[in-house]
Amino acid sequence: DGGITQSPKYLFRKEGQNVTLSCEQNLNHDAMYWYRQDPGQGLRLIYYSQIVNDFQKGDIAEGYSVSREKKESFPLTVTSAQKNPTAFYLCASSPRRRGKPDYEQYFGPGTRLTVT
Amino acid sequence: AQSVAQPEDQVNVAEGNPLTVKCTYSVSGNPYLFWYVQYPNRGLQFLLKYITGDNLVKGSYGFEAEFNKSQTSFHLKKPSALVSDSALYFCAVRESDNAGNMLTFGGGTRLMVKP
Repeated sequence: DGGITQSPKYLFRKEGQNVTLSCEQNLNHDAMYWYRQDPGQGLRLIYYSQIVNDFQKGDIAEGYSVSREKKESFPLTVTSAQKNPTAFYLCASSPRRRGKPDYEQYFGPGTRLTVT
Repeated sequence: AQSVAQPEDQVNVAEGNPLTVKCTYSVSGNPYLFWYVQYPNRGLQFLLKYITGDNLVKGSYGFEAEFNKSQTSFHLKKPSALVSDSALYFCAVRESDNAGNMLTFGGGTRLMVKP
């Protein structure tokens, strides 16, 4: 899992509450990503950020929000508007070389969110 | 648009036998291709990538993959499977001019290696 930490490993919330998932990296990577993993559906991109103070929506951004105030940190907020928030959430990062994002992404250990 | 398919939900193989996990892709331009492995309740670990050059790519833990442009495939292989190889495997693709480095993942293939 390299130098990417996600906390906590397991998170439980009541329906209607917002919850923020932490992602921190000490790899000096510029780009960071949030994915959602559901059984049998692979990974789907929620948000990504190529540089501090900039981020873009991925394929399933509705009901989620992010911020990128520091290079090391890319927290994800799951809002009450997300209709089916229970899932395994993965954060990833990748370096930039010569002004462009580099190839492979490096993943954190994930946070399993359960909303009841 | 970019997409990737892993046609098998599960692959079963006996320990010591060769294994193949299939992946096919679709991109508009040149593909960058990746394989990752995931153990239960863990993040994804990078295994190998194809960017350019030799079509046979060697990666971690004795795995290799062959890029076949005509068949748009990037199958993962290992000559002799270990029980510890049992895990969930993901193929991913991005187009070479994808500025955001956004990867598209397949649905995953569960590899079961039996003693």
